[in-house]
Amino acid sequence: NAGVMQNPRHLVRRRGQEARLRCSPMKGHSHVYWYRQLPEEGLKFMVYLQKENIIDESGMPKERFSAEFPKEGPSILRIQQVVRGDSAAYFCASSPWTEMNTEAFFGQGTRLTVV
Amino acid sequence: DAKTTQPNSMESNEEEPVHLPCNHSTISGTDYIHWYRQLPSQGPEYVIHGLTSNVNNRMASLAIAEDRKSSTLILHRATLRDAAVYYCILSKSGGYQKVTFGIGTKLQVIP
Repeated sequence: NAGVMQNPRHLVRRRGQEARLRCSPMKGHSHVYWYRQLPEEGLKFMVYLQKENIIDESGMPKERFSAEFPKEGPSILRIQQVVRGDSAAYFCASSPWTEMNTEAFFGQGTRLTVV
Repeated sequence: DAKTTQPNSMESNEEEPVHLPCNHSTISGTDYIHWYRQLPSQGPEYVIHGLTSNVNNRMASLAIAEDRKSSTLILHRATLRDAAVYYCILSKSGGYQKVTFGIGTKLQVIP
């Protein structure tokens, strides 16, 4: 049973380009969470999704960022017109339940560098 | 939202026990206490969680104060592989709530 898979592991984009980060949850998990980690900081919640639904996007910047979790395929975090400040590690986690008071499984992250 | 407070960093000698403290004085009755750790360049990894009673698993033990305002993660014999940032977080039971990670405690293990 593969763990949470994120790809790419490293992504370099020029300012103004689009970044697409993919997350395949563990088999049987229908809840996905995205976090962002700036250098030397803790993880900050961005968005929580279930299949085809965004449940909580209160941590997402209002502009340029969007997320989806379609019925088929991985969850996608999309950043349009990237800026230097978007450089960070982006982690996704999945769980089988709504509640995160059971174990949540994290991917290895995508490290985005904007040049 | 209830917050947690942890020391920024700690050191331990290899093969000695490590006690990582966490204060959560505003914890509510439905908050679970979770610990995760993050090794360099990796995603967080679940360590242990509990509600009221002390908990043990193959990785660690969790000691929860009687008033639940603090807890301690215990690594019984630190190894070099345990060098990581350890996060203490609170998560409510009963339905979704987003989990926020603080800065955590950076544990350095000295050979």
